[in-house]
Amino acid sequence: KAGVTQTPRYLIKTRGQQVTLSCSPISGHRSVSWYQQTPGQGLQFLFEYFSETQRNKGNFPGRFSGRQFSNSRSEMNVSTLELGDSALYLCASRPTAERSIEQFFGPGTRLTVL
Amino acid sequence: GQQVMQIPQYQHVQEGEDFTTYCNSSTTLSNIQWYKQRPGGHPVFLIQLVKSGEVKKQKRLTFQFGEAKKNSSLHITATQTTDVGTYFCAGAAAGGGADGLTFGKGTHLIIQP
Repeated sequence: KAGVTQTPRYLIKTRGQQVTLSCSPISGHRSVSWYQQTPGQGLQFLFEYFSETQRNKGNFPGRFSGRQFSNSRSEMNVSTLELGDSALYLCASRPTAERSIEQFFGPGTRLTVL
Repeated sequence: GQQVMQIPQYQHVQEGEDFTTYCNSSTTLSNIQWYKQRPGGHPVFLIQLVKSGEVKKQKRLTFQFGEAKKNSSLHITATQTTDVGTYFCAGAAAGGGADGLTFGKGTHLIIQP
């Protein structure tokens, strides 16, 4: 089985712009979670989607949003980018939304905001 | 909200020495997972602990879940250079809830040959 894929792998944007990141889960996985990873804050949970519905949400401002499509692919969007949004954005998939099941992480998208 | 503290933040060891990282949750957990992230890589699932007092072993790695299900540890015996990376614990709060997994900030293991 192919692993979790994320596009693009690297992205450079300027303050005020918006960005859309894409995640394709492992085939058959219906849950996709997004995380922001920074050296200072570590891995922080953004949100989780399951069957096209947002199931859980972390403590991030409304500039961070996401969605999931019927084929389980997911996108996250960050509007009005700030310098502090520079981070590695990871998505992770699992077969169901059951939290006791391991997550499979993608390689991440490295976002740099100038 | 739920907080998961992990210590130490960094650990330097000589190759062959043992290594331990500790994880403490502010709330009782339903389960705890451990992940390893190699430099430049992404987190990879190692193991999950569910039962109070559970101990699991994977070769040189020993994982423990506390009796109160609020703390956990990962111990590596006789470290090797392939053990280099950041080890994260991730907990799910007991009783359900709207939060996803909460990750500790990780312990960076640096091994000197």
